Amino acid sequence: KAGVTQTPRYLIKTRGQQVTLSCSPISGHRSVSWYQQTPGQGLQFLFEYFSETQRNKGNFPGRFSGRQFSNSRSEMNVSTLELGDSALYLCASSSGPNGGELFFGEGSRLTVL
Amino acid sequence: DQQVKQNSPSLSVQEGRISILNCDYTNSMFDYFLWYKKYPAEGPTFLISISSIKDKNEDGRFTVFLNKSAKHLSLHIVPSQPGDSAVYFCAASGGTNAGKSTFGDGTTLTVKP
Repeated sequence: KAGVTQTPRYLIKTRGQQVTLSCSPISGHRSVSWYQQTPGQGLQFLFEYFSETQRNKGNFPGRFSGRQFSNSRSEMNVSTLELGDSALYLCASSSGPNGGELFFGEGSRLTVL
Repeated sequence: DQQVKQNSPSLSVQEGRISILNCDYTNSMFDYFLWYKKYPAEGPTFLISISSIKDKNEDGRFTVFLNKSAKHLSLHIVPSQPGDSAVYFCAASGGTNAGKSTFGDGTTLTVKP
């Protein structure tokens, strides 16, 4: 069974640009969550989608958005990038709606210059 | 306000000895707790979980203890092995939907041969 796949793995952007990150969950998993990890910090919750609906949202500005498609694949978008957005963005899936543990991808490392 | 805290950023133990990682939480609505392990350049992987209706859960060398009155949980690894060297994250959620989990900042465990 394939794991959670995130693309791209690494990317470099400049301030003001926007970025789209993609996540393919484990087959059959309908819940997809996104987390941001910065150096020395834990994982900060961004949002969770279940069956194409945003079910939960963290305390991030509106520049951070996401969506989920009918095949459960998810994308997150960050507009007007700032230096502080440099981080590892992790996607996780679970079988949901009460799916227990999260299965994480390897992350997309974003560097904003 | 950090709702899940891991007060020890790092822990070093000798191979064969016990490793004890601690986690405190403040939100009384949390009733499902998980531990994840993370190696460099990989996403976190689920280790063990515990529901608030229990005070102990064991899986091989890993045992998690929950003290609800103190809002404290701990992960015991016995015996510790060099391959256990990683960052350990404590996470909590309300209900078994781990999609919106609140994570601690992590504890880096080093097991010396």
